[in-house]
Amino acid sequence: NAGVTQTPKFQVLKTGQSMTLQCAQDMNHEYMSWYRQDPGMGLRLIHYSVGAGITDQGEVPNGYNVSRSTTEDFPLRLLSAAPSQTSVYFCASSYGGQGRVNEQFFGPGTRLTVL
Amino acid sequence: AQRVTQPEKLLSVFKGAPVELKCNYSYSGSPELFWYVQYSRQRLQLLLRHISRESIKGFTADLNKGETSFHLKKPFAQEEDSAMYYCALRSSNTGKLIFGQGTTLQVKP
Repeated sequence: NAGVTQTPKFQVLKTGQSMTLQCAQDMNHEYMSWYRQDPGMGLRLIHYSVGAGITDQGEVPNGYNVSRSTTEDFPLRLLSAAPSQTSVYFCASSYGGQGRVNEQFFGPGTRLTVL
Repeated sequence: AQRVTQPEKLLSVFKGAPVELKCNYSYSGSPELFWYVQYSRQRLQLLLRHISRESIKGFTADLNKGETSFHLKKPFAQEEDSAMYYCALRSSNTGKLIFGQGTTLQVKP
């Protein structure tokens, strides 16, 4: 199993550009989520999904969109990139959602710089 | 509101010294708490969870509901313990995982 994969590993954007960060998992996990990691702020939840067709907002959803058309994929879209979105982005997945205590498996991260 | 607080950004100790990484939480209900670790150039990974009451790599963490804390402890630090440590709380309602700000542990030789 590849686990959780993310592409690209690095990306530089100009302000106003749009792009999609890809995330895929091959473990048949129901739960997937996106985090951003910033110095001094830790990991903050952007969006999450408890199954195909179901998504919800996390702590910092503004400026980001997600969709979950399949169990395997959970792309994160930046509609109009801003310098404040410069960060490292992590995708994670786990079995189950509500009422189940499960380990989250993380991808390697995408380092995004917005100029 | 659900919140996880790790008051120390950096904790620096010498090899063989005891380590305690602090974690406090705010949650209305029965919390599910975790410690995750990120070693240099590696993915974030689960270290331990409170429900298992286990010791991993010599680390333990006890849930103290009275003090709303879940501190991570190790009696004798090793250089290979140097990493970023995150405390996390899971909402039983939504399943989402909320992380603290993280603490960098630096173990000096």
